[in-house]
Amino acid sequence: QVQLVDSGGGVVQPGRSLRLSCAASGFTFSRYAFHWVRQAPGKGLEWVVVISYDGKNKFYADSVKGRFTISRDSSKNTLYLQMLSLTPEDTAVYYCAREASVAGGLLDYWGQGTQVTVAS
Amino acid sequence: EIVMTQSPATLSVSPGERATLSCRASQSVSSDLAWYQQKPGQAPRLLIYGASTRATGIPARFSGSGSGTEFTLTISSLQSEDYAVYYCQQYNNWPWTFGQGTKVEIK
Repeated sequence: QVQLVDSGGGVVQPGRSLRLSCAASGFTFSRYAFHWVRQAPGKGLEWVVVISYDGKNKFYADSVKGRFTISRDSSKNTLYLQMLSLTPEDTAVYYCAREASVAGGLLDYWGQGTQVTVAS
Repeated sequence: EIVMTQSPATLSVSPGERATLSCRASQSVSSDLAWYQQKPGQAPRLLIYGASTRATGIPARFSGSGSGTEFTLTISSLQSEDYAVYYCQQYNNWPWTFGQGTKVEIK
């Protein structure tokens, strides 16, 4: 069955970096685009970034552009999110999500999320 | 950016009763509208896409309707496992955006 496992979160000081991972299994990883979506404490969902199935196209929300980088490794069936220059506003649970084959932007499977806390 | 507005923020419904949730888009998104369910401490789960198509494994008591800017999610007879927060999302225009959520609570 489709499974996405998020990891790499933690507590980090403002200005520092963190790399999140999302390990995929149960389907052909290289055929799908992937997204990261985040949820600040007690808040709603915020789309962050998407990477195309082949890794060639990436689109970022304005709030993270220039600081976050998405990448993928099809040999490891793993998605990554490199986060630089973190601020307290980046504190959230970060979810990776698979884009459905039927429509761009539609998210059919989600990881369990990994908590990122930015605090001094 | 398309703004998605959900109402009400909280809906109190008794078990077995019907729940009707609304979602409005600031401009037309055609039928490119999804609904997700999120329970505390869990990831969102896709319920409805294309405004009215149930995702795999979703019970028939969940139904979606609407197009353009006005959408509705209906839960025909609330079960205990349906108490959760529901989000709408448009995927017609980048950046994809979510509503702020409607919490369905026990009355």
